[in-house]
Parts: sequence; C-alpha cells; structure tokens
Amino acid sequence: GQNIDQPTEMTATEGAIVQINCTYQTSGFNGLFWYQQHAGEAPTFLSYNVLDGLEEKGRFSSFLSRSKGYSYLLLKELQMKDSASYLCAGMDSNYQLIWGAGTKLIIKP
Amino acid sequence: IAGITQAPTSQILAAGRRMTLRCTQDMRHNAMYWYRQDLGLGLRLIHYSNTAGTTGKGEVPDGYSVSRANTDDFPLTLASAVPSQTSVYFCASSDSGQVSDTQYFGPGTRLTVL
Repeated sequence: GQNIDQPTEMTATEGAIVQINCTYQTSGFNGLFWYQQHAGEAPTFLSYNVLDGLEEKGRFSSFLSRSKGYSYLLLKELQMKDSASYLCAGMDSNYQLIWGAGTKLIIKP
Repeated sequence: IAGITQAPTSQILAAGRRMTLRCTQDMRHNAMYWYRQDLGLGLRLIHYSNTAGTTGKGEVPDGYSVSRANTDDFPLTLASAVPSQTSVYFCASSDSGQVSDTQYFGPGTRLTVL
C-alpha cells in the first residue's frame, strides 16, 4: 500500500532550527513535496525533491534519500510566523499525490 | 480573479440534500483536483481532471461527482449529502498534472452535514 508517515506535532523555540522527518512508501515515485498550511488556510508549496540530496531555499531546506524512502524539511532561524502544519506528500507513478497527515509545528518565544 | 476561488466559504447542509461546491481558476491550468481534509488524516483525493472534458476517480470518490466542461471550472457535487461528508474541501490546480507539477490550492469550503 501507499503510506506517508510524519510526526503529529513538534515544538521548537524562536530563532532555533527544527527538522521535520517524513518517510514514504508509494507505488512508483515521482518526487516528494513539502507544503505549509497555516490554521484555517490552504496549503502552499514549499519544496520539491526528486533526486537525492539537499535543496536549499532561504531559511528552508529539504532533503531526500530515495533508497531509504526518507525526506526531511529543515527550518532555520525560526520565526513565530513559521507556526503552521507542514505536509509531506509523495507523488506516485500516476502523478497523484499521497499526503501525510501533517506535522503541527508550535514555535515558542 | 487571481489564482483559485471556491464558493461557498462555508455551508451547513441537511442530510439528504444536494450540494455543489464551485471551483474556478484563472491560471489556464490543465489539471484540477478536489480533496477533502479531515482532522488527523492527510488530504485525500476525491476526483481529478487532467484536462477539460476528462475526469478520473481518486481515493475517496463515492458519493461525489464532478464535471469539467471547460478549463477554468471544476464543480464538485454531493448528490445526497451524509454526515460523513462533513469536512473541509480544497480545490487545486496544476499546469499539466505531470512530474514536478506544483499544485495550487483554493481557500477551501468548510461543509457541515447534519
């Protein structure tokens, strides 16, 4: 079957670094997406990885290991506005996204 | 209009009633999607359309129907609503529905079926 696993909730301190992990199992693999979703709002795109390695985009970086079925999202210099849910999604062989339940990130001052 | 719009923003509906959720995009994207989002679960695909005139079933299609008469509009219809269809519904679109295609989401419709 297809499955995406990520922690339900994480807490971090403003200014710190946090890593949100995601493991995936999809029928075929066409890449791994990360989205950010603030409470009551729509998901918005953060990153896409299809090759192994780290993709850096400002304060946010995303890593992929295809052999391990593993990805992480790294958030640096945390700000209060980063409090949100972070959704991991794997794209299967039919180009459909399989979504994790999301990780709620709580930032404390 | 810029991006994707959905209507209504929220709705309370009696069980057994028919309801159509509207979705319109102005990005000329070929692919469109309907998801539902429930607490503790990931987004689940209801139906999708890779191009105008074609539709396909997602993970949870039962009780829902869609049409794609043109590029811009992708309405979702609940023929006879049931309480288990209480959810937040998101419409999304992407350029081609292919590899690395980013999906852009509308603001969502919060539906309560009593």
